[in-house]
Parts: sequence; C-alpha cells; structure tokens
Amino acid sequence: DQQVKQNSPSLSVQEGRISILNCDYTNSMFDYFLWYKKYPAEGPTFLISISSIKDKNEDGRFTVFLNKSAKHLSLHIVPSQPGDSAVYFCAATPFNSGGSNYKLTFGKGTLLTVNP
Amino acid sequence: DAGVTQSPTHLIKTRGQQVTLRCSPKSGHDTVSWYQQALGQGPQFIFQYYEEEERQRGNFPDRFSGHQFPNYSSELNVNALLLGDSALYLCASSLNKGDLNTEAFFGQGTRLTVV
Repeated sequence: DQQVKQNSPSLSVQEGRISILNCDYTNSMFDYFLWYKKYPAEGPTFLISISSIKDKNEDGRFTVFLNKSAKHLSLHIVPSQPGDSAVYFCAATPFNSGGSNYKLTFGKGTLLTVNP
Repeated sequence: DAGVTQSPTHLIKTRGQQVTLRCSPKSGHDTVSWYQQALGQGPQFIFQYYEEEERQRGNFPDRFSGHQFPNYSSELNVNALLLGDSALYLCASSLNKGDLNTEAFFGQGTRLTVV
C-alpha cells in the first residue's frame, strides 16, 4: 500500500518554462512534506519543505503548494534549467512521530528532464 | 564541513552472508536514519538511531539491525543476505531539537549487490 504516490514517472520540459511535479498521499497523519532531488550516484538532496499549517512555501525558483483537503502537493520550478534534470522525490512524515524528519515515507520519484 | 559519509560505496556479497555498512553523520547532527532504495522505487525507512538507541523502525525483518556509537556514527548490519536485499542503502542524519528535527541530509549511499 503506497502512502505517497508520484504518478508521473517522468516529465520533460523546455528550458525557461515551468516544471510542475505532483504528489498525492493517503495517510491523514502526514503533517510535514519535503521534496528531495537526486542525481545519479548521489544521495537525495533536500530542496524545500512545507508544514500542513501552510498552503504554500517558496524558495527562489522553487515553490511547493499543499492542498490538504485533496491530499495533494506540487512542486513548481520556474524557470526550469538544464541543471534541474534529476529524479525528484516527494516525502512525508507525521508530526506525531516527534519531529520533522522521523520515518520519512517517499514516493517512487519523477524523472525531470529539462531540454536546452 | 563534511556532509554525511558512507562506506563502502559498493559491495558485492553472496547469498547467506552478513554485511556491515557504515555512516558518519554531518557535523553537529545526532540522529541517524537508514533507508533502503530498490531499483525504480523511493527510499524505504529501515530504522532510526538517537542517543545510541533504536527509536523507530520500519517494516523490515530482524535480519536488519543497527548500532549507533557515542560519536553519533552508525552501522547497519544485515544477516543471512537474500537476493532481494540488493539495493542502494542510504544513511540520513539530522539534529534533534526537542519536538522537531532539522531536515535530513543524505549520504551518497552504499550499493549492495547480493549474488
């Protein structure tokens, strides 16, 4: 039973355009959400996070939107750059686990390719 | 400032053998979590160590065990290896701040192949 779902295995966009990566979750206990980026042969790198008390968090070119009623979040990258090409993982954790990073549950990831 | 370091980077073991993977957390971090990432899947939580004790555990059999040392470094041990244990094993560190933890920083992983 997959509690965090990234239904698009891959996404291809043109440089300069917007990339939108989607993530759905089923566990109502999830309270804190994170996005990680992973290049081949490297570990995941933290990008941006959002708490369930917010519906938007922005950091430079990256914005995460959370729709708690729909159990859906999305990551927007504007403008997209070729260096953004990587696998993006959505992750979630319940607040009552005692912290923002306990027992992260990951989706399967979306491979983003940004074409020059 | 060294990030999370894992050793070895690659390992080949035979079915039935035992393996030990090592992790040094990012400087200043006191909590270490281990994840297994199978091919085409997202990382799956194995367990987490804080203050030298296992604090939380995912859905993994007892063949998977761990340890945390006083310097916060950690080991992951897997006994009686199965072919299905072949995966990338990721270590993540964070800092416990009362009710909250900082975001987890990941190492580059150890690629384990069981033949």
